[in-house]
Amino acid sequence: DGGITQSPKYLFRKEGQNVTLSCEQNLNHDAMYWYRQDPGQGLRLIYYSQIVNDFQKGDIAEGYSVSREKKESFPLTVTSAQKNPTAFYLCASSIAITSYEQYFGPGTRLTVT
Amino acid sequence: EDQVTQSPEALRLQEGESSSLNCSYTVSGLRGLFWYRQDPGKGPEFLFTLYSAGEEKEKERLKATLTKKESFLHITAPKPEDSATYLCAVQASGGSYIPTFGRGTSLIVHP
Repeated sequence: DGGITQSPKYLFRKEGQNVTLSCEQNLNHDAMYWYRQDPGQGLRLIYYSQIVNDFQKGDIAEGYSVSREKKESFPLTVTSAQKNPTAFYLCASSIAITSYEQYFGPGTRLTVT
Repeated sequence: EDQVTQSPEALRLQEGESSSLNCSYTVSGLRGLFWYRQDPGKGPEFLFTLYSAGEEKEKERLKATLTKKESFLHITAPKPEDSATYLCAVQASGGSYIPTFGRGTSLIVHP
């Protein structure tokens, strides 16, 4: 089955620790995205990548970092510089950056205490 | 700046009670408007793309319509399994292709 996987589903970390969220897709999509979702808020874009070895900051990139070394993978690191990291993180992909539809993974809920 | 406003924030319906969700938008030029369904604790699931005013699309009990300023998601004779948050997003023509999402409407359908 083609799709997007995110792991783990739940993640707990202590304040001050960096943490990396995994996102893998086997849809052969060029574009990948990371969003953050907080209660009562719309999806906010953290980073996106149009192609391997290229990525762009979104609206709320501060305190986050990404890499795109393989077409299938787009991991997100939440650094200790992120002031309020507890949230639901969603990874998405599309055939290309110009595509209309984005397809989402199941999400990772990160709790930092 | 592109803006998307969804209303109401929350909607409770009885099973079989039809209603509509609204998505109003402000963009310099619309390339596409999207509707997603999101179940609690899960990622959004794509429902529809609408491209131009007057367009309509249907899927089971859902029908999406589009005007120059807003989109409606009509739910006909809803069932409890239609309970979810419905997200609207718009993609503007020109510039970035990144869609702007609304905050969603939380729908609960009581049996």
